[in-house]
Amino acid sequence: SAVISQKPSRDICQRGTSLTIQCQVDSQVTMMFWYRQQPGQSLTLIATANQGSEATYESGFVIDKFPISRPNLTFSTLTVSNMSPEDSSIYLCSVGTGEVVTEAFFGQGTRLTVV
Amino acid sequence: KQEVTQIPAALSVPEGENLVLNCSFTDSAIYNLQWFRQDPGKGLTSLLLIQSSQREQTSGRLNASLDKSSGRSTLYIAASQPGDSATYLCAAPLGGTSYGKLTFGQGTILTVHP
Repeated sequence: SAVISQKPSRDICQRGTSLTIQCQVDSQVTMMFWYRQQPGQSLTLIATANQGSEATYESGFVIDKFPISRPNLTFSTLTVSNMSPEDSSIYLCSVGTGEVVTEAFFGQGTRLTVV
Repeated sequence: KQEVTQIPAALSVPEGENLVLNCSFTDSAIYNLQWFRQDPGKGLTSLLLIQSSQREQTSGRLNASLDKSSGRSTLYIAASQPGDSATYLCAAPLGGTSYGKLTFGQGTILTVHP
């Protein structure tokens, strides 16, 4: 298993500003992901955070809006840029562990409210 | 493209009942399927991971089954308790991957009342 810490746990931000969310894992992992959960909805994958290279974004998500860093195998950040109220969501960091079949583990999430 | 559907959307039961949550997926070429629990405003807790070679996986009062050929999985909760109240999410790997990149169902909101 993996223990994942996310910071901040929640924040209220002004529209037009940016927020950077940190994700720290207690062990080295190959795969790290960022998800968004809009109010009343399920989770949607934003991107795969790749160590040492640019993140891989899913359809509908772009680097200018959600820049991601992955400087090493235990840490990643997600920035939500130029925020609007539509960005109000829970943002979750996830890792995959296991060599043959991968189990996914999640952080506690960051609850973002944009006013 | 993998799509995951969960029924029912919500379920309210009295304490002590045995219950079944259903999950269906469109791409049967999966390596595994995972069930999660989410408490309000919180992250996800992994409950059970079923590998494609397995038909069932058990943890305490929870039992999950997987039928790849029919594209279905069920989560069985025995002797439900108020502490089981939460949203239960089923997730399957995206596009035949195996490394934890998931697509989720909409979840089943479970309420167990005393």
